[in-house]
Amino acid sequence: RKEVEQDPGPFNVPEGATVAFNCTYSNSASQSFFWYRQDCRKEPKLLMSVYSSGNEDGRFTAQLNRASQYISLLIRDSKLSDSATYLCVVPRDTGNQFYFGTGTSLTVIP
Amino acid sequence: DGGITQSPKYLFRKEGQNVTLSCEQNLNHDAMYWYRQDPGQGLRLIYYSQIVNDFQKGDIAEGYSVSREKKESFPLTVTSAQKNPTAFYLCASSMGQITYTEAFFGQGTRLTVV
Repeated sequence: RKEVEQDPGPFNVPEGATVAFNCTYSNSASQSFFWYRQDCRKEPKLLMSVYSSGNEDGRFTAQLNRASQYISLLIRDSKLSDSATYLCVVPRDTGNQFYFGTGTSLTVIP
Repeated sequence: DGGITQSPKYLFRKEGQNVTLSCEQNLNHDAMYWYRQDPGQGLRLIYYSQIVNDFQKGDIAEGYSVSREKKESFPLTVTSAQKNPTAFYLCASSMGQITYTEAFFGQGTRLTVV
C-alpha cells in the first residue's frame, strides 16, 4: 500500500453540486492530515488541517476515519473557482517530512 | 507580509551547467524543504533541513546540492549530474521540531533545459 493514495479523477461536476474526495494512508500512527489546493502551474496552498475527527470551514468539510485509514474532503455548493487539484498530505514519522498524494483533479462546469 | 519567496520564477539552463534556485522565508520556521514536481506526478522530496547548518537527503537527492547557512535561506543547486532537471521546483517551510504542522510553499521555479 502506498503511503498516501488518491483517486486522480478527473471529477467534472456542475456548479452547485456536492463532491467528495477520499484519501487513504498507510501509517496508522499518523496524527495530523492536510488538504492542499493546487491551481495549474501554481504552488500548493493549504486548504484545511485535520487533527482530530474532522474540520469544517464554510463549504469545505474534512473528515477522518482512523479505523479505515482515510480522510475525505467534501465540497458543497461547488463554485467555478473550486476547479483545481486537491492534494492529500500526511506527515512522515520522522524528520518533519510529508507524504504527498498525487492529487485529485476537480473541474466545476457552468 | 510573512511568506516564502522563490526566485527566479522561470529559469533556463544549458546542458552541463549548474544553476542555483533561491528560497528565502521570513516565517521564522526551522524546517525547510525542496520538492520537485513533474507533470501528472506528485511532489517528490529532494532535500530537507530541520535546523541551520544541517540538512538531509530526500528521496531524489542525486544531482542536487543544498546549503543552510542561515535560518531564512535554503538555496538549491541543480548540478550537471542531474540528467533530467526540467521540472517545477517548490520550496517549502514548516515550524519543524516535533510538531507536525503544515508546510507553506513558495511560488515555485520552473526550470527548463535548453
